[in-house]
Amino acid sequence: NAGVTQTPKFQVLKTGQSMTLQCAQDMNHEYMSWYRQDPGMGLRLIHYSVGAGITDQGEVPNGYNVSRSTTEDFPLRLLSAAPSQTSVYFCASSPSPGSGQPQHFGDGTRLSIL
Amino acid sequence: DAKTTQPNSMESNEEEPVHLPCNHSTISGTDYIHWYRQLPSQGPEYVIHGLTSNVNNRMASLAIAEDRKSSTLILHRATLRDAAVYYCILSPSNTGNQFYFGTGTSLTVIP
Repeated sequence: NAGVTQTPKFQVLKTGQSMTLQCAQDMNHEYMSWYRQDPGMGLRLIHYSVGAGITDQGEVPNGYNVSRSTTEDFPLRLLSAAPSQTSVYFCASSPSPGSGQPQHFGDGTRLSIL
Repeated sequence: DAKTTQPNSMESNEEEPVHLPCNHSTISGTDYIHWYRQLPSQGPEYVIHGLTSNVNNRMASLAIAEDRKSSTLILHRATLRDAAVYYCILSPSNTGNQFYFGTGTSLTVIP
């Protein structure tokens, strides 16, 4: 029972490098989202998607891109990494937007930008 | 943005009940109230959710005020494994199920 799978679990980048954080879910959920969590803080919404081909911005979208070509996958791309993007990134999914159903979270990707 | 207010931290003795409060005075009629918890170095974990009526599940109970402007998560017998940060979140159905997290309540369970 995989649920939400995030890869990699850890990553160190240099300033200016780009990379893609992967997120996959096997529950056929329409809604997927990305959050970042800085030390001692709550989660902040970066981008979300209500279905394949549809994405939108959350609270803190700058410096990140997303796409949703399939129901299962929702990758997050850092275009040019900056030290301020050092954080733990969580991906989540839920059955459908506006349903009130709970979100399922992955275990997170711990990202350090030097 | 739908916002909630929670105490920064609370303590409880092991095997005693814990009542975690949450204020959400700007809640609208279609907002669901969700509770999640986050153990150290893990992703948030769903605990319980409700709309208007009180809810019970194997993990906890959710008591919702009659005017829906506040709610309380009840852990009936705290264990050491319940030590976590607890988040109270509103799920606004009219904006596509976006969740806005606050800083939550850090629960310490004393043996």
